[in-house]
Amino acid sequence: EVQLVQSGAEVKKPGESLKISCKGSEYSFNSYWIGWVRQMPGKGLEWMGIIYPGDSDTRYSPSIQGQVTISADKSISIAYLQWSSLKASDTAMYYCARLLGYCTGTSCYGAFDMWGQGTMVTVSS
Amino acid sequence: QSALTQPPSASGSPGQSVTISCTGTSSDVGSYNYVSWYQQHPGKAPKLMIYEVNKRPSGVPDRFSGSKSGNTASLTVSGLQAEDEADYYCSSYAGSNPWVFGGGTKLTVL
Repeated sequence: EVQLVQSGAEVKKPGESLKISCKGSEYSFNSYWIGWVRQMPGKGLEWMGIIYPGDSDTRYSPSIQGQVTISADKSISIAYLQWSSLKASDTAMYYCARLLGYCTGTSCYGAFDMWGQGTMVTVSS
Repeated sequence: QSALTQPPSASGSPGQSVTISCTGTSSDVGSYNYVSWYQQHPGKAPKLMIYEVNKRPSGVPDRFSGSKSGNTASLTVSGLQAEDEADYYCSSYAGSNPWVFGGGTKLTVL
């Protein structure tokens, strides 16, 4: 089955680091951009960034830039989202999603046609 | 504050049609045909329902349709069914930020 499967829920303390994952299966993972989308409790969707696993070209939302790092290991079809120092305000559900579209040198276009099941990250002291 | 404006709620009876609006500006919805709509049931991941204003991915019923006029995009659900009850989010390309989302609309099937 063509799908994205994310790592499990995490409970962390402020200041801790974290890396969550998103594994693609049954499709050419390296040939599609993978985006990350945040959904805070009871709130809407917010695009965070996107990566092309084939060459690790990465773009970030201006509002997220510097707060997280997106990476990928194309050899095992996994994309990652990581934090070096979590804050309580990072508490949210995080989704990875495959882009039905493309990115050029200056921007990206399209929609997210397949989503992971989500990873809930809770940051609390 | 979301970049795109959606009504917080919408409702209709089974079999009826309901339209959800998504209002942006000339810098996003009004200038690009990269408007998409997502359906999200409680506790579930979003699902793509419409892309590029009015295209349906494979498997999405043709009861779902999209359109755009000026700075406002719309999602119409015809022949409402109980399983259509969900949150719906619009998204548009906005230049420097490729994906801006609306605040979401909770659709209730009465």
